[in-house]
Amino acid sequence: EIVMTQSPVTLSVSPGERATLSCRASQSVSSNLAWYQHKPGQAPRLLIYGASTRATGIPGRFSGSGSGTEFTLTISSLQSEDFAVYYCQQYNNWLPLTFGGGTKVEI
Amino acid sequence: QLQLQESGPGLVKPSETLSLTCTVSGGSISSSSHYWGWIRQPPGQGLEWIGSIYYSGSTYYNPSLKSRVTISVDTSKNQFSLKLSSVTAADTAVYYCARQDYYDSHFDYWGQGTLVTVSS
Repeated sequence: EIVMTQSPVTLSVSPGERATLSCRASQSVSSNLAWYQHKPGQAPRLLIYGASTRATGIPGRFSGSGSGTEFTLTISSLQSEDFAVYYCQQYNNWLPLTFGGGTKVEI
Repeated sequence: QLQLQESGPGLVKPSETLSLTCTVSGGSISSSSHYWGWIRQPPGQGLEWIGSIYYSGSTYYNPSLKSRVTISVDTSKNQFSLKLSSVTAADTAVYYCARQDYYDSHFDYWGQGTLVTVSS
Protein backbone atom coordinates (compact mmCIF):
# COMPACT_ATOMS: atom_id res chain seq x y z
CA GLU A 1 0.00 0.00 0.00
CA ILE A 2 1.25 3.47 -0.88
CA VAL A 3 1.11 5.70 2.19
CA MET A 4 0.40 9.37 1.58
CA THR A 5 1.67 11.80 4.23
CA GLN A 6 0.47 15.40 4.29
CA SER A 7 2.08 18.28 6.12
CA PRO A 8 1.44 20.32 8.06
CA VAL A 9 -1.63 18.90 9.76
CA THR A 10 -2.90 22.42 10.40
CA LEU A 11 -1.88 25.58 8.57
CA SER A 12 -2.82 28.96 10.01
CA VAL A 13 -2.96 31.65 7.36
CA SER A 14 -4.43 35.14 7.00
CA PRO A 15 -6.69 36.07 4.07
CA GLY A 16 -4.62 37.29 1.14
CA GLU A 17 -1.58 35.27 2.16
CA ARG A 18 -0.02 32.37 0.29
CA ALA A 19 -0.55 28.81 1.51
CA THR A 20 1.74 25.91 0.64
CA LEU A 21 0.58 22.36 1.40
CA SER A 22 2.77 19.28 1.02
CA CYS A 23 2.02 15.67 0.20
CA ARG A 24 4.61 12.89 0.21
CA ALA A 25 4.17 9.37 -1.17
CA SER A 26 5.93 6.34 0.32
CA GLN A 27 6.92 5.30 -3.21
CA SER A 28 6.73 6.94 -6.59
CA VAL A 29 3.25 7.66 -7.94
CA SER A 30 4.56 9.42 -11.06
CA SER A 31 2.09 12.29 -11.69
CA ASN A 32 -0.95 10.25 -10.69
CA LEU A 33 -2.00 12.53 -7.89
CA ALA A 34 -5.12 14.58 -7.15
CA TRP A 35 -5.98 17.26 -4.62
CA TYR A 36 -9.42 17.77 -3.07
CA GLN A 37 -10.97 20.51 -0.96
CA HIS A 38 -13.43 19.44 1.75
CA LYS A 39 -15.68 21.67 3.82
CA PRO A 40 -17.81 20.33 6.69
CA GLY A 41 -21.13 18.93 5.54
CA GLN A 42 -20.26 19.30 1.88
CA ALA A 43 -19.10 16.99 -0.86
CA PRO A 44 -15.35 16.96 -1.43
CA ARG A 45 -14.37 19.04 -4.47
CA LEU A 46 -11.74 18.06 -7.01
CA LEU A 47 -9.13 20.81 -7.38
CA ILE A 48 -6.16 19.29 -9.20
CA TYR A 49 -5.48 16.03 -11.06
CA GLY A 50 -2.43 14.75 -12.84
CA ALA A 51 -0.46 16.59 -10.13
CA SER A 52 -0.81 19.95 -11.86
CA THR A 53 -3.98 20.15 -13.99
CA ARG A 54 -6.74 22.31 -12.56
CA ALA A 55 -10.18 20.76 -12.66
CA THR A 56 -13.00 22.52 -14.47
CA GLY A 57 -14.07 25.73 -12.77
CA ILE A 58 -11.21 25.86 -10.28
CA PRO A 59 -9.77 29.38 -9.82
CA GLY A 60 -6.27 30.11 -10.99
CA ARG A 61 -5.06 30.82 -7.46
CA PHE A 62 -4.89 27.04 -6.94
CA SER A 63 -1.86 25.34 -8.45
CA GLY A 64 -0.26 21.93 -8.07
CA SER A 65 3.28 20.77 -8.69
CA GLY A 66 5.57 17.81 -8.18
CA SER A 67 6.05 14.27 -9.39
CA GLY A 68 7.35 11.00 -8.04
CA THR A 69 7.05 11.23 -4.27
CA GLU A 70 6.88 14.96 -3.48
CA PHE A 71 3.90 17.16 -4.31
CA THR A 72 2.74 20.66 -3.44
CA LEU A 73 -0.59 22.46 -3.55
CA THR A 74 -0.26 26.24 -3.52
CA ILE A 75 -3.05 28.70 -2.92
CA SER A 76 -1.58 32.01 -4.05
CA SER A 77 -3.85 34.42 -2.18
CA LEU A 78 -6.24 32.86 0.29
CA GLN A 79 -9.86 33.87 0.08
CA SER A 80 -12.38 33.37 2.88
CA GLU A 81 -13.99 30.49 1.01
CA ASP A 82 -10.67 28.61 0.85
CA PHE A 83 -10.57 27.72 4.53
CA ALA A 84 -11.16 23.98 4.50
CA VAL A 85 -9.42 20.63 4.74
CA TYR A 86 -7.32 19.57 1.76
CA TYR A 87 -6.55 15.97 0.83
CA CYS A 88 -4.17 14.45 -1.66
CA GLN A 89 -4.89 11.10 -3.32
CA GLN A 90 -2.68 8.80 -5.36
CA TYR A 91 -4.06 6.68 -8.16
CA ASN A 92 -0.86 5.19 -9.51
CA ASN A 93 -1.58 1.99 -7.61
CA TRP A 94 -5.25 1.01 -7.50
CA LEU A 95 -5.08 -1.65 -4.85
CA PRO A 96 -5.66 0.30 -2.85
CA LEU A 97 -6.25 3.88 -3.90
CA THR A 98 -5.04 5.95 -0.95
CA PHE A 99 -5.57 9.43 0.47
CA GLY A 100 -3.41 11.54 2.72
CA GLY A 101 -4.52 12.42 6.22
CA GLY A 102 -5.43 15.96 5.25
CA THR A 103 -4.25 19.50 5.97
CA LYS A 104 -6.65 21.88 7.66
CA VAL A 105 -6.24 25.46 6.46
CA GLU A 106 -7.56 27.78 9.15
CA ILE A 107 -7.65 31.50 9.76
CA GLN B 1 -24.93 19.14 -13.85
CA LEU B 2 -24.11 15.67 -12.57
CA GLN B 3 -25.42 14.90 -9.10
CA LEU B 4 -24.91 11.88 -6.87
CA GLN B 5 -27.08 11.13 -3.84
CA GLU B 6 -26.44 8.47 -1.23
CA SER B 7 -29.36 6.81 0.52
CA GLY B 8 -29.82 4.09 3.09
CA PRO B 9 -30.21 3.41 6.82
CA GLY B 10 -28.34 5.71 9.16
CA LEU B 11 -28.13 3.09 11.90
CA VAL B 12 -26.95 -0.50 11.54
CA LYS B 13 -26.52 -3.09 14.28
CA PRO B 14 -23.16 -4.80 14.86
CA SER B 15 -22.67 -7.98 12.81
CA GLU B 16 -25.35 -6.93 10.32
CA THR B 17 -24.93 -5.75 6.72
CA LEU B 18 -24.68 -2.08 5.80
CA SER B 19 -26.48 -1.29 2.54
CA LEU B 20 -26.30 2.01 0.67
CA THR B 21 -27.41 3.13 -2.77
CA CYS B 22 -26.08 5.98 -4.88
CA THR B 23 -28.47 7.53 -7.38
CA VAL B 24 -26.89 9.35 -10.30
CA SER B 25 -28.75 12.18 -12.03
CA GLY B 26 -27.74 14.53 -14.82
CA GLY B 27 -25.64 11.85 -16.48
CA SER B 28 -25.55 8.16 -17.37
CA ILE B 29 -24.02 5.50 -15.18
CA SER B 30 -23.41 3.57 -18.41
CA SER B 31 -20.73 6.04 -19.45
CA SER B 32 -17.70 4.25 -20.89
CA SER B 33 -15.46 7.01 -19.52
CA HIS B 34 -16.15 6.55 -15.84
CA TYR B 35 -16.02 4.24 -12.88
CA TRP B 36 -18.26 4.74 -9.87
CA GLY B 37 -16.79 4.52 -6.40
CA TRP B 38 -17.46 4.45 -2.68
CA ILE B 39 -15.26 6.26 -0.16
CA ARG B 40 -15.76 6.62 3.58
CA GLN B 41 -14.55 8.88 6.38
CA PRO B 42 -14.71 7.71 10.00
CA PRO B 43 -15.27 10.48 12.56
CA GLY B 44 -12.14 12.55 13.00
CA GLN B 45 -10.20 10.51 10.44
CA GLY B 46 -9.19 10.74 6.80
CA LEU B 47 -10.70 9.33 3.64
CA GLU B 48 -10.64 5.61 2.82
CA TRP B 49 -11.40 4.17 -0.60
CA ILE B 50 -13.78 1.21 -0.37
CA GLY B 51 -14.10 0.17 -4.00
CA SER B 52 -15.17 1.06 -7.53
CA ILE B 53 -17.34 -0.43 -10.26
CA TYR B 54 -17.63 -0.04 -14.03
CA TYR B 55 -21.03 -0.07 -15.71
CA SER B 56 -20.25 -3.53 -17.08
CA GLY B 57 -20.01 -4.82 -13.52
CA SER B 58 -16.22 -5.04 -13.18
CA THR B 59 -15.22 -4.26 -9.63
CA TYR B 60 -12.12 -3.23 -7.71
CA TYR B 61 -12.07 -3.43 -3.91
CA ASN B 62 -9.76 -2.20 -1.19
CA PRO B 63 -7.89 -5.35 -0.12
CA SER B 64 -8.46 -4.44 3.54
CA LEU B 65 -12.24 -4.63 3.05
CA LYS B 66 -12.52 -7.05 0.15
CA SER B 67 -13.82 -10.00 2.17
CA ARG B 68 -16.80 -7.96 3.38
CA VAL B 69 -17.61 -5.66 0.43
CA THR B 70 -19.91 -6.06 -2.55
CA ILE B 71 -20.51 -3.23 -5.02
CA SER B 72 -23.13 -3.65 -7.73
CA VAL B 73 -24.64 -1.52 -10.48
CA ASP B 74 -28.18 -1.18 -11.82
CA THR B 75 -27.98 0.62 -15.13
CA SER B 76 -31.77 0.62 -15.56
CA LYS B 77 -32.13 2.73 -12.42
CA ASN B 78 -28.89 4.71 -12.91
CA GLN B 79 -27.79 3.52 -9.47
CA PHE B 80 -24.94 1.66 -7.87
CA SER B 81 -24.89 0.10 -4.45
CA LEU B 82 -22.63 -0.86 -1.57
CA LYS B 83 -23.01 -3.77 0.82
CA LEU B 84 -20.62 -4.16 3.75
CA SER B 85 -21.16 -7.25 5.85
CA SER B 86 -20.36 -8.09 9.48
CA VAL B 87 -20.07 -4.47 10.50
CA THR B 88 -18.54 -3.25 13.75
CA ALA B 89 -18.26 0.14 15.41
CA ALA B 90 -15.12 0.70 13.33
CA ASP B 91 -17.34 0.91 10.25
CA THR B 92 -19.11 4.00 11.61
CA ALA B 93 -18.37 6.70 9.04
CA VAL B 94 -19.69 9.16 6.52
CA TYR B 95 -20.02 7.22 3.29
CA TYR B 96 -19.57 9.02 -0.02
CA CYS B 97 -20.29 7.90 -3.55
CA ALA B 98 -18.32 9.47 -6.37
CA ARG B 99 -17.68 9.38 -10.10
CA GLN B 100 -14.19 8.32 -11.10
CA ASP B 101 -12.45 9.12 -14.35
CA TYR B 102 -11.75 5.92 -16.32
CA TYR B 103 -8.48 7.16 -17.82
CA ASP B 104 -7.03 9.20 -14.96
CA SER B 105 -8.74 7.61 -11.91
CA HIS B 106 -9.38 10.77 -9.90
CA PHE B 107 -12.83 11.38 -8.41
CA ASP B 108 -14.44 14.35 -10.15
CA TYR B 109 -17.96 14.41 -8.70
CA TRP B 110 -18.96 13.42 -5.18
CA GLY B 111 -22.20 13.01 -3.27
CA GLN B 112 -22.84 14.93 -0.07
CA GLY B 113 -22.24 11.83 2.01
CA THR B 114 -24.38 9.95 4.50
CA LEU B 115 -23.51 9.12 8.09
CA VAL B 116 -23.88 5.47 9.01
CA THR B 117 -23.57 4.60 12.68
CA VAL B 118 -22.99 1.03 13.82
CA SER B 119 -24.56 0.55 17.23
CA SER B 120 -26.92 -1.79 19.00
